[in-house]
Amino acid sequence: ETGVTQTPRHLVMGMTNKKSLKCEQHLGHNAMYWYKQSAKKPLELMFVYSLEERVENNSVPSRFSPECPNSSHLFLHLHTLQPEDSALYLCASSPKISSDPTYEQYFGPGTRLTVT
Amino acid sequence: AQKITQTQPGMFVQEKEAVTLDCTYDTSDQSYGLFWYKQPSSGEMIFLIYQGSYDEQNATEGRYSLNFQKARKSANLVISASQLGDSAMYFCAMREGLYNFNKFYFGSGTKLNVKP
Repeated sequence: ETGVTQTPRHLVMGMTNKKSLKCEQHLGHNAMYWYKQSAKKPLELMFVYSLEERVENNSVPSRFSPECPNSSHLFLHLHTLQPEDSALYLCASSPKISSDPTYEQYFGPGTRLTVT
Repeated sequence: AQKITQTQPGMFVQEKEAVTLDCTYDTSDQSYGLFWYKQPSSGEMIFLIYQGSYDEQNATEGRYSLNFQKARKSANLVISASQLGDSAMYFCAMREGLYNFNKFYFGSGTKLNVKP
């Protein structure tokens, strides 16, 4: 498998459930990202990991908990979510964190999350 | 202030015609990169084209070209010879160098509809 994969592609969960989103990249990249995409809003950066170390946390509520066990895998653990958390969650990776701004991000297909 | 502004929520274009999608950006950095992504209804974000702040020539990739006007801080995407498969959301993004190289800033997107 190549590129960036995300599972599941669709998830419906109640507010009391606990679930996890999984992202895997097969590109040998060192940086991974979680974004939230709500309807009619710009992409919101949630977390950035560089070489398994979290380097960015954009004031995300604690009900979202990221985990990066290695440079190829990224998880987003979800618990006691709210209906307003329903969105498309996109994972991305890039070759490395550096001062060179030319690196693009490669995105996964996203997980469509619905909180009921 | 918003880092990336896309003022056209929706656009229509006739098949085989050219279309320009607007993007303006705001940064005080000298080193930055500008990106365009396409997001079909399936959800994945597809990288289209990149322009570096020091690049003197406008970037081109097949039918895509980027009209980079640095003094105006604009980076418009031009799609030539539109095809039905070009119907999608298009996002302009910026990555700043040196201090904020972790972050991509995305605009709110433009929904392009190509009419047969």
